[in-house]
Amino acid sequence: ETGVTQSPTHLIKTRGQQVTLRCSSQSGHNTVSWYQQALGQGPQFIFQYYREEENGRGNFPPRFSGLQFPNYSSELNVNALELDDSALYLCASSLGTATYGYTFGSGTRLTVV
Amino acid sequence: AQKVTQAQTEISVVEKEDVTLDCVYETRDTTYYLFWYKQPPSGELVFLIRRNSFDEQNEISGRYSWNFQKSTSSFNFTITASQVVDSAVYFCALTPSGGQNFVFGPGTRLSVLP
Repeated sequence: ETGVTQSPTHLIKTRGQQVTLRCSSQSGHNTVSWYQQALGQGPQFIFQYYREEENGRGNFPPRFSGLQFPNYSSELNVNALELDDSALYLCASSLGTATYGYTFGSGTRLTVV
Repeated sequence: AQKVTQAQTEISVVEKEDVTLDCVYETRDTTYYLFWYKQPPSGELVFLIRRNSFDEQNEISGRYSWNFQKSTSSFNFTITASQVVDSAVYFCALTPSGGQNFVFGPGTRLSVLP
């Protein structure tokens, strides 16, 4: 049983650019959630995808968008990058709601300069 | 609104000491779930425990134990005989029954010194 894998592990972008982060969910999990973790803080919920549709969203602007594919893998896209977008982006998969807990990936460390 | 507070930002102990990490939460939901996750330097959040709001029994798993007290809205985590490998950031999290997401606390960084 494979866990959650994320790519890339690190990347550096310039302010104003766009970025795509990728996530493969754990086998058997049909729901993918994305979290942003700024340095020294707890993860903050960005959004969740279930059956290829956005199924809930945290307090993030529309320039944060996502996709879920038929194999349950997912992408997080961020447009018009800002310096404050620098963070660890964590992907988490689950079977349905968060009630049963998540399996997290190791994250993508994004630095915006 | 839901909120999780972990008042201890950083804790340092010497190996073999016992250490307790505090977690206090706020919610208006009657049914909810509490979690503890460990985040080592690799970044991945590792699941430690899940507890529902109707189960107030304390739990012990090896060197780890959890004390859930609904009356004080606390879900504290104790590591007995700490080891260097326990060094990590520990997060407490909350979600309502059927909830879509976790609300995380700010985390407690535990350093266990040899």
